[in-house]
Amino acid sequence: EPEVTQTPSHQVTQMGQEVILRCVPISNHLYFYWYRQILGQKVEFLVSFYNNEISEKSEIFDDQFSVERPDGSNFTLKIRSTKLEDSAMYFCASSEALRTGKNIQYFGAGTRLSVL
Amino acid sequence: GQSLEQPSEVTAVEGAIVQINCTYQTSGFYGLSWYQQHDGGAPTFLSYNALDGLEETGRFSSFLSRSDSYGYLLLQELQMKDSASYFCAVRTGFQKLVFGTGTRLLVSP
Repeated sequence: EPEVTQTPSHQVTQMGQEVILRCVPISNHLYFYWYRQILGQKVEFLVSFYNNEISEKSEIFDDQFSVERPDGSNFTLKIRSTKLEDSAMYFCASSEALRTGKNIQYFGAGTRLSVL
Repeated sequence: GQSLEQPSEVTAVEGAIVQINCTYQTSGFYGLSWYQQHDGGAPTFLSYNALDGLEETGRFSSFLSRSDSYGYLLLQELQMKDSASYFCAVRTGFQKLVFGTGTRLLVSP
């Protein structure tokens, strides 16, 4: 069964450093997303991406964050100058073209980011 | 603002039926989804309702009442492997999902 894959599974970084989280969405999907989940809390939407541009973003997704689809398979989230409060699990998700109003998003296993 | 409220925890025994409620208040509404998440795992899609009524998928059913801004997930014939967190999520825009606070389900023998 096709799945969303994320690397690395765990990333440890020092405060102020830049990190890049990588995702390979399901191959025939056209919409890509990043979410984050702080330990013990709910999943929070960060950004959605379609046709090589951001289609929607939350107030969390400020200038510290950027996304990119550098090639035909990868989708990345860059966090510049990380802060302690960026420590969370980051999930990538993808969905196929919207049909009948459904938007089933398939999630990867996540990257746990620890900022020290 | 956006809010989706769920009970924080529900307990049940194997073989039982359990209902997890979700009430929402969002700026847009295109549909209500349910996701399951085991500890340390990824959210996994379970069910989706865009219109009022009941949707059934095997042991899981989901209900929506748009006029009441309310939905629930019904899990039947509970199994130990159903112990997990369950999140309702509203599709508020073209693609964005807003997740609820999550309900931790504990199934005991």
